[in-house]
Amino acid sequence: SQQGEEDPQALSIQEGENATMNCSYKTSINNLQWYRQNSGRGLVHLILIRSNEREKHSGRLRVTLDTSKKSSSLLITASRAADTASYFCATAEEHNQGGKLIFGQGTELSVKP
Amino acid sequence: KAGVTQTPRYLIKTRGQQVTLSCSPISGHRSVSWYQQTPGQGLQFLFEYFSETQRNKGNFPGRFSGRQFSNSRSEMNVSTLELGDSALYLCASSPRVERDNEQFFGPGTRLTVL
Repeated sequence: SQQGEEDPQALSIQEGENATMNCSYKTSINNLQWYRQNSGRGLVHLILIRSNEREKHSGRLRVTLDTSKKSSSLLITASRAADTASYFCATAEEHNQGGKLIFGQGTELSVKP
Repeated sequence: KAGVTQTPRYLIKTRGQQVTLSCSPISGHRSVSWYQQTPGQGLQFLFEYFSETQRNKGNFPGRFSGRQFSNSRSEMNVSTLELGDSALYLCASSPRVERDNEQFFGPGTRLTVL
């Protein structure tokens, strides 16, 4: 079953603009991760934020986590056409050790040149 | 290091048949997880193996099974295929099994059931 809901489901922007995607989840978590998927291929890990962290940066990516609201956001700054992909949040539940991730439905991002 | 490899990449089967998918994790990774991705249900966790033992299992019927070998390679098997089993099956490996468990995904096996 899906843990996360992502918003928006689809986002279309111009190159150079910022893209913000939101994710909500239901249970207590160890960490929350964001992945990118290009057109039905494998997922690529982007960034991991632990439950005791509030914000994390990696290059053009900025992730925030609000455990009180059970929500996270991913900001991609100065977007490029190559950022066009589906973006998924995934949570590692607190009571569950190991590699099990619960994924959201994803946001389809289209960056137009 | 070579990435996660999955074979075959594409597979066409008919209802009632069985299928075995293979996954080779990144060298040194001992945790292997499997996910099913469909347009309707999204990405769903199937199971996870570590040191040849199943550590976690998702909500799938017993027709879905898996195993892990001593070299960490993993296989998953689906018996008595149904049309709804058509999906992209993704394998992921992880160097860690607790807390910061980022996953490294393979390209997937696209299974079509006719």
